[in-house]
Amino acid sequence: SQQGEEDPQALSIQEGENATMNCSYKTSINNLQWYRQNSGRGLVHLILIRSNEREKHSGRLRVTLDTSKKSSSLLITASRAADTASYFCATDNSWGKLQFGAGTQVVVTP
Amino acid sequence: GAGVSQSPSNKVTEKGKDVELRCDPISGHTALYWYRQSLGQGLEFLIYFQGNSAPDKSGLPSDRFSAERTGGSVSTLTIQRTQQEDSAVYLCASSLGQGNTEAFFGQGTRLTVV
Repeated sequence: SQQGEEDPQALSIQEGENATMNCSYKTSINNLQWYRQNSGRGLVHLILIRSNEREKHSGRLRVTLDTSKKSSSLLITASRAADTASYFCATDNSWGKLQFGAGTQVVVTP
Repeated sequence: GAGVSQSPSNKVTEKGKDVELRCDPISGHTALYWYRQSLGQGLEFLIYFQGNSAPDKSGLPSDRFSAERTGGSVSTLTIQRTQQEDSAVYLCASSLGQGNTEAFFGQGTRLTVV
């Protein structure tokens, strides 16, 4: 079973536009992370937000966390063709178990 | 090594055979995770280790699946009597553990059961 669910499942935008995707989870968490995956192989860590934080920025990425709604959002600003990838949220609990959602496939066209 | 290493990168096996997948985590990382990903799908949690212990084996799909970790380092995932539905990419990741769960992934093993 998966802890998180991303929305939308797929997103198609043009270069320069912003991409927003959401993640909802079911149980209490320590941290929430976002990862990116190219070509169906290894994932790369993008950003981590702790359960006591509400917003975090890293470059063109902005992540929000609402623990009362058990949801998070990832915003990619000024998207580029190179941002084309699948994006996954992941949550970990106090035991350190790291679980991933189903992912959002983002396609950025030039 | 500098990153998480998985071997083999690709494996084709006949239905009914046993396979072993190997993961070498980043040195010093106490936590190690195994996931399975079918084409176009999300990551299915299989098992994770803290040191040599597996606090959570709940994700293993059946008793044909087992995993071990020795010396707090290398881990092997074994699938016995493989079935076609076992075909997937098997991903391994490691993290420092002790509250630091930022995970570093290997490139995966693509298993095809024919």
